[in-house]
Amino acid sequence: NAGVTQTPKFRVLKTGQSMTLLCAQDMNHEYMYWYRQDPGMGLRLIHYSVGEGTTAKGEVPDGYNVSRLKKQNFLLGLESAAPSQTSVYFCASSYSWTAVNTEAFFGQGTRLTVV
Amino acid sequence: GDSVTQMEGPVTLSEEAFLTINCTYTATGYPSLFWYVQYPGEGLQLLLKATKADDKGSNKGFEATYRKETTSFHLEKGSVQVSDSAVYFCALRFTGNQFYFGTGTSLTVIP
Repeated sequence: NAGVTQTPKFRVLKTGQSMTLLCAQDMNHEYMYWYRQDPGMGLRLIHYSVGEGTTAKGEVPDGYNVSRLKKQNFLLGLESAAPSQTSVYFCASSYSWTAVNTEAFFGQGTRLTVV
Repeated sequence: GDSVTQMEGPVTLSEEAFLTINCTYTATGYPSLFWYVQYPGEGLQLLLKATKADDKGSNKGFEATYRKETTSFHLEKGSVQVSDSAVYFCALRFTGNQFYFGTGTSLTVIP
């Protein structure tokens, strides 16, 4: 049971380059999330999705775009990377609030460095 | 709005010491409450949860009780081990889509 899988695990980008982070979950969860984790700031929500074909902005959406074309996948894109986007990125998924189990399940993270 | 305030770290304890990490929340209503643990180089894992007032979540010797009157969900363990060294996050989820996380508390247990 894979759970939530993120690819890649590590990446170094040059300023201005673009990339896409892929998140895949096999638990049939409706909700998916992208967070970034920075020292001293905990987890900050970038974007989230409540179902296939839907996306919404979180706390820190600027500089990122997302897509949820299939229920099991949630993509995070950086169109023009900046050093301020150096961070560890986590994908998570969960059932809807009305489910018995409401906790989020996390991927292993992607460590991104922008130079 | 909804938020979580967590005890600042880092925390350093000797093996077999008692652990408390404080967590309080602000929410309109009765959220579900969680403690997550993050080991070095890994993602967050659910440690325990409580979904209604007075519920006690427990796992791996850790406990936390959902206290509505004090809006708190403090994490405790009676005797910590070196293997408990990690970052601990308190979180809540209310009706809707989002989780709210505390800033995390780093715990180091020394032999």
